[in-house]
Parts: sequence; C-alpha cells; structure tokens
Amino acid sequence: QLQLQESGPGLVKPSETLSLTCTVSDVSTSSRSYYWGWIRQPPGKGLEWIGSVYYSGSTSYRPSLKSRVTISVDTSKNQFSLKLSSVTAADTAVYYCARQGAYGDYVGHWGQGTLVTVSS
Amino acid sequence: QSVLTQPPSVSGAPGQRVTISCTGSSSNIGAGYDVHWYQQLPGTAPKLLIYGNINRPSGVPDRFSASKSGTSASLAISGLQAEDEADYYCQSYESGLIGWVFGGGTKLTVL
Repeated sequence: QLQLQESGPGLVKPSETLSLTCTVSDVSTSSRSYYWGWIRQPPGKGLEWIGSVYYSGSTSYRPSLKSRVTISVDTSKNQFSLKLSSVTAADTAVYYCARQGAYGDYVGHWGQGTLVTVSS
Repeated sequence: QSVLTQPPSVSGAPGQRVTISCTGSSSNIGAGYDVHWYQQLPGTAPKLLIYGNINRPSGVPDRFSASKSGTSASLAISGLQAEDEADYYCQSYESGLIGWVFGGGTKLTVL
C-alpha cells in the first residue's frame, strides 16, 4: 500500500526558507508512470497546487510561486522535496505531498499533511 | 481566487439528494481535461471520491455520482447521511499551468 509521509519543521521564521521532504513507501519515485506534487491548504481555505516533479527531475510550478519554489526528487532515497524561500505569514498552511493517480491527472494518493506556521 | 468555481456551501436533510457544481473554462474542463472530486473531513487529508469525471474508486458508495458537460461538472450525493458532512473539492488540469487546478471547495451541511 503506497504511503507518503511529509517531514520538516513546523515553524519557520519570516524571510527564511521552508523545507519539507516527502518519503514514499511501497513504490519507487523513479517510476516513469507517475509524477509527484505538493499541495497546500491555508487554515480555513481551499487547496492550492504548488508544483510537480517527474521521475526525470523535470518540474512545473504554480506561476505565482515560481520565483520562490524548488521541487526536486531523490530516487536513491525514494523521496521528493519542497523548498519555498522568502516565506511570509501568507505561506502558513498545511502542506500535502501527493502522487498522480493511476488513470489520469488527479491526486491518487495524499500524505497526511503537515502544518507549517510562519512566525517570528 | 480559484480557477474552478464551486458554491461555498450546500445543505440537505438526511435521505435527500444534493448536487455541487464546478465551473471551469476553455483552458481546463472545456479543453477536455477530466474532472475529479475529493471529500475532506475536518482535520484530515482529502480523499479521492470520483476520478475521470464519473468513476468511483473502490470503497466509495454508489450514492456518490458525477457528470461533466462542456466547461462544467457536478457531483451528486443521494441518500444523504450525517457522515457525508464535509468539504468537497473539484479538480481538473490546465495545460497552460501544467498542473492541477482546484475549485474553492463546497461545505456540505447535513441538516
């Protein structure tokens, strides 16, 4: 059973870089069949796609975050990661890692989510 | 502002049927991309409810159904139960974005 688990600091200071890692179990991140992504949800608000990474390492990012986001994959560790620089309070959210569904462009698997608060 | 538009809230009594709409544009739903639906219970990650416009993953009751037409889609829940009270999100894909686009979410209240 595929499992995704986010890890990283729950508190980040303004202007610093938010770093999260998603560890994948039971399937390889080097699989050519799927892509992986990050989604966030500010408290009380809706879901927002941040970006995606493919087995090859190629990426796509949300335009409004593109200048601050880096997503990468480490197939040797079966992990992929998110870095978001110059954070502000507006970046406070639950961050989910996710995998593309087996039959199309949807989220087939979600991590449990991790709350990251931006505060001094 | 979300790319896909959903009503903020809907409600219904137990046993009734409710529908939730999802309106997109020619860049996403209208471009032929599939629509998918998720249910999010409080404090939990979203759960896939419908994929590929009409398909239910195993374990999702057949009380949940969905359709797509033109630039819109809808989710129907029949025989409402108290446990259906949750937030529901539609999702599609946008070629210009090369990524997932979501609706703003609809809070379902079971009266």
